[in-house]
Amino acid sequence: GAGVSQTPSNKVTEKGKYVELRCDPISGHTALYWYRQSLGQGPEFLIYFQGTGAADDSGLPNDRFFAVRPEGSVSTLKIQRTERGDSAVYLCASSLDGGPAEAFFGQGTRLTVV
Amino acid sequence: KQEVTQIPAALSVPEGENLVLNCSFTDSAIYNLQWFRQDPGKGLTSLLLIQSSQREQTSGRLNASLDKSSGRSTLYIAASQPGDSATYLCAVKKGAQKLVFGQGTRLTINP
Repeated sequence: GAGVSQTPSNKVTEKGKYVELRCDPISGHTALYWYRQSLGQGPEFLIYFQGTGAADDSGLPNDRFFAVRPEGSVSTLKIQRTERGDSAVYLCASSLDGGPAEAFFGQGTRLTVV
Repeated sequence: KQEVTQIPAALSVPEGENLVLNCSFTDSAIYNLQWFRQDPGKGLTSLLLIQSSQREQTSGRLNASLDKSSGRSTLYIAASQPGDSATYLCAVKKGAQKLVFGQGTRLTINP
C-alpha cells in the first residue's frame, strides 16, 4: 500500500495480558515513530527508530513497553502485563529520514484494556 | 523542553467564514512545523509542512505561516466548509528527533 498501515485497528484485551501492535511504514522510509494519544490530547512520543535501531526511546513510559524493528521496515510495539491506563490510540508514523522530511501517520490502533 | 500550545481549544463558526488557528512553541530552534488534520476515530492527515527556512506554505484553501523568532504559526482556512470540521494539530520537530504536538483545536463548521 501507499501509506502507513497499522494492525489491528482495534484491540480489546484483559488486564494483565500481553499485546503486540504492528506498523508497516511507507516503503523506503528509514525513520519510524510510535506515539500514544489519549482522548482529547495531542499524540505523545514513545519511540523513534532510524533503520533497525531505536535512536530515541525516551518516551516509553516503563519497562512493560518495548518495540522492535528487526529488518528496518515493519515495527512491532509490545506491551506486557497490560493495565487499564494503557488504553489509548497508538499511532505509528514514518518519514523518509529522521531529519526535516514530512511525517506520515497510520490510522492508529485503538487499544482497550478491560 | 519544547512545549507547543494551540489556541483556541475549540472553535465553532458558520460556513463560509475565513478563520485562523494558532500554534505557539517555546523553542525556536526547530527543523520544521507540520499541521495535521484528525477526524474522529481516525489517524492524522498531513496538511502542510513548513521548513525552518520558509515563512509560509499554501495548499488550496489552506495557508500556514511560520514566525520562528516569535515561536508562532498560524493556519488560515478560507471559505470554510462543513467538511473542514475536524481537530487540527500542529507539531514541531527539532533535529533528528520526535515531533512535539499541541493539544489540538477542535473545529466545527456549521452549515
